[in-house]
Amino acid sequence: DAKTTQPPSMDCAEGRAANLPCNHSTISGNEYVYWYRQIHSQGPQYIIHGLKNNETNEMASLIITEDRKSSTLILPHATLRDTAVYYCIVRGYETGANNLFFGTGTRLTVIP
Amino acid sequence: NAGVTQTPKFQVLKTGQSMTLQCAQDMNHNSMYWYRQDPGMGLRLIYYSASEGTTDKGEVPNGYNVSRLNKREFSLRLESAAPSQTSVYFCASSEAAIGGAEQYFGPGTRLTVT
Repeated sequence: DAKTTQPPSMDCAEGRAANLPCNHSTISGNEYVYWYRQIHSQGPQYIIHGLKNNETNEMASLIITEDRKSSTLILPHATLRDTAVYYCIVRGYETGANNLFFGTGTRLTVIP
Repeated sequence: NAGVTQTPKFQVLKTGQSMTLQCAQDMNHNSMYWYRQDPGMGLRLIYYSASEGTTDKGEVPNGYNVSRLNKREFSLRLESAAPSQTSVYFCASSEAAIGGAEQYFGPGTRLTVT
């Protein structure tokens, strides 16, 4: 699976949009982009995933560039409860999971 | 619907002791996973089970064994605990072990080995 690069930390004002970038320049055609988050000491929580097209759900939007080498997770109206570590993961479609790689993520702090 | 449950929540072991971490899911998922997370680090995959009756090694399998007891339950065993295994252990499940299938995580087991 392609590895990802994320900034180690970001701040965002409460009520503003939080835009979290992820670089995955070695991604291949059948690899999905996933986003998870981990609120302090809890188990990671699935947010969203996509293959080529932009995706939106009740939690967030995922924007994937046309060349698929980078993506951005958007939390449209950040709240204090969105303070967490956000992981960008790239994973292939093939059966198996022994190369699933979480990395160290981006620590997002939402400021009142 | 409890999702993914793990027991115990906390455990302290002495070096050389053994223990089994239990995980169960009620979402009828085929695939289950065990991860460990060390302080300040991301999650690392220990073992996974793509379907009932199968298990495979992940990134850091040494010192661990697993059992997929049935479709619901997936246990992780430490035969002879070492201080290096002090960590938070998370269990997860998904419909399948393929891309496009999101994983759901349990609350974690905090293990300290002295």
